[in-house]
Amino acid sequence: KAGVTQTPRYLIKTRGQQVTLSCSPISGHRSVSWYQQTPGQGLQFLFEYFSETQRNKGNFPGRFSGRQFSNSRSEMNVSTLELGDSALYLCASSSRDRSQGPLHFGNGTRLTVT
Amino acid sequence: KQEVTQIPAALSVPEGENLVLNCSFTDSAIYNLQWFRQDPGKGLTSLLLIQSSQREQTSGRLNASLDKSSGRSTLYIAASQPGDSATYLCAVQNTGNQFYFGTGTSLTVIP
Repeated sequence: KAGVTQTPRYLIKTRGQQVTLSCSPISGHRSVSWYQQTPGQGLQFLFEYFSETQRNKGNFPGRFSGRQFSNSRSEMNVSTLELGDSALYLCASSSRDRSQGPLHFGNGTRLTVT
Repeated sequence: KQEVTQIPAALSVPEGENLVLNCSFTDSAIYNLQWFRQDPGKGLTSLLLIQSSQREQTSGRLNASLDKSSGRSTLYIAASQPGDSATYLCAVQNTGNQFYFGTGTSLTVIP
């Protein structure tokens, strides 16, 4: 069974631009969540989608948004990029209906904002 | 808000030693706890998941325990190997379906 796939692996953007990251969950998994990982803050929860609906949201500004498609694939968008958005963005999928666990992570997208 | 702490932040041991990593959390109303390892520049690999009703889980040389009432979990690694070198993270899932992560323990196993 294929794991969680994230594309692209690396991105370099300029301040003020916007970016879209993609995540394909494990086949059959309906829950997809996104995390931002930085050396200073560690792993921080962005949001979680289940069956195309946002079920949970972390404490990030509205510049961070996401969506989930009917095939469970998910995209995350960051608008008006800031230098502080440079991070590893991780996507995780889960098969369970009532909760997220266990989580299965992709290898992440490394975003660098210059 | 759930706070997850991992001690120590870094650990260096000679090959073959047994070791224990610690994870503590402030809110005992958790749904489950999951241990991960992360290699540099990579995503997280799931090691063990402990449901709130369980006390421990084992997989090969790894054993994870959970004491919900005291807000603690330990990950025991037996007979450590250089390939175990990585950052180990614990994450707790609250009944609100959100995972909270610790900042990790960076483990180095010296050949």
